[in-house]
Amino acid sequence: QTVVTQEPSFSVSPGGTVTLTCGLSSGSVSTSYNPSWYQQTPGQAPRTLIYSTNTRYSGVPDRFSGSILGNKAALTITGAQAEDESDYYCVLYMGSGIWVFGGGTKLTVL
Amino acid sequence: QLQLQESGPGLVKPSETLSLTCTVSGGSISSGSYYWGWIRQPPGKGLEWIGSIYHSGSTYYNPSLKSRVTMSVDTSKNQFSLKLSSVTAADTAVYYCAGHLAFAPYRFDYWGQGTLVTVSS
Repeated sequence: QTVVTQEPSFSVSPGGTVTLTCGLSSGSVSTSYNPSWYQQTPGQAPRTLIYSTNTRYSGVPDRFSGSILGNKAALTITGAQAEDESDYYCVLYMGSGIWVFGGGTKLTVL
Repeated sequence: QLQLQESGPGLVKPSETLSLTCTVSGGSISSGSYYWGWIRQPPGKGLEWIGSIYHSGSTYYNPSLKSRVTMSVDTSKNQFSLKLSSVTAADTAVYYCAGHLAFAPYRFDYWGQGTLVTVSS
C-alpha cells in the first residue's frame, strides 16, 4: 500500500515563505511520478496549481513554485498572502493508471 | 471549457450500492485526451482517488476499493458513472468527478463541484 505523506499543518506569516513537502512512505519522490499540487478551500473543488513537478497551471500566480527537494516533491509559496490560507494536496501518478493523493496540508496564514 | 456535474442520491443505506453519474458539458467525453475519474473526500479528511475510465471503457481502479467499484461510460449521453457496492458509514464523503489527461503531463484539469453522499439507515 503506497502512502503519500504531507505535513498535516503549517503556518506562515503574511509575506513570508513556506515550503510544503510530499513524500513516500517507502522510497523517494522523483519527477517520474509527475507530482502535482492542488489547492482547496472549504466547500470548493480542488484547483490545480502545479503539475509535472514544477510547471505552474494557467492563471496561477508566480509566488507558487514546485520542485524536488531531497527525496520529496515540494510546493513553495514565496510572499504568502491571506488568500493562500487553504488545504494543499499533492498527488503522484504511480504509473499503470494509478493515482495516489497525499493526506493534505492545512496552511494557515497569520 | 468543459464543465462536469455530479448527480445521484444523497443518502444510501448501509450494504447497498452507491450510484453516481457525471455529466460532461462543453465538449465531448470521447475527445481522446482525457480519462474521467472519481475522487472522494470524507468529511474533514483528505482526497482519495477511486478510479478512472476512458471513453473506450478502459478502467483503472484504486486497489483498496477495486473489489467494490464499477465504472462505466455512456458516450451518447456524454456521461460516466460510478457504482460502489456494499457501502458502510466509512463511504460517506463528498464525491467529485474529474477529468485528467490520458498522457503526460499527468494532471487533473477539470473538476465537478462535488456531491455529498451519506451512508446511513
